[in-house]
Amino acid sequence: QVQVEQSGAEVKKPGASVKVSCKASGYTFSTYFIHWVRQAPGQGLEWMGAINPGDGGATYAQKFQGRVTMTRDTSTSTVYMELSSLRSEDTAVYSCARGGQVREYYFDYWGQGTLVTVSS
Amino acid sequence: EIVLTQSPGTLSLSPGERATLSCRASQYVYSSYFGWYQQKLGQAPRLLMYSASTRATGIPDRFSGSGSGTDFTLTISRLEPEDFAVYFCQQYGSSPSFGQGTKVEIK
Repeated sequence: QVQVEQSGAEVKKPGASVKVSCKASGYTFSTYFIHWVRQAPGQGLEWMGAINPGDGGATYAQKFQGRVTMTRDTSTSTVYMELSSLRSEDTAVYSCARGGQVREYYFDYWGQGTLVTVSS
Repeated sequence: EIVLTQSPGTLSLSPGERATLSCRASQYVYSSYFGWYQQKLGQAPRLLMYSASTRATGIPDRFSGSGSGTDFTLTISRLEPEDFAVYFCQQYGSSPSFGQGTKVEIK
């Protein structure tokens, strides 16, 4: 069965970077986009970007351009999301979700979420 | 960026009642690129509907979706206890976005 498992919670200081992992299983890793979405406490869902695990190409939301990097490791079927220059407003649950074989597709399987806390 | 505005913010209903949730887009959205998610406290979102009106696998038929262009609706015909949750609409075009959510709470 399709599973998407994320790394554990992180606590970071302002200005630092965080790297969250998302390991996929139960399907052909290279053929489905992986999206990243975050949710600040009590807030809605915010799309951060997506990566094509097949070729490693990534598209980022304008808000995060220059601060986010999405990569993948095909040998372990894992996608990574790194966010730099962290500030308190980046405190949120970060989730990966499987999209489709094209970028414009709904998100059918979600990871459990990774809480990132930014605090001095 | 397409902004999605959901209404109402909170819906207070009793089990067995009908729930109607709305989502309005700031610009045209192709129905093929529109969906709804349910989220319960502490859980990941769950896909309910895609292509505006197609139920995802395992979603009961009391859930239905409709709409096109800029106005979309999610209807729950008879609320079950497990349906009390937060619902998000989404457009998944080239730059996906979500609505801010509608909370369906027990009256």
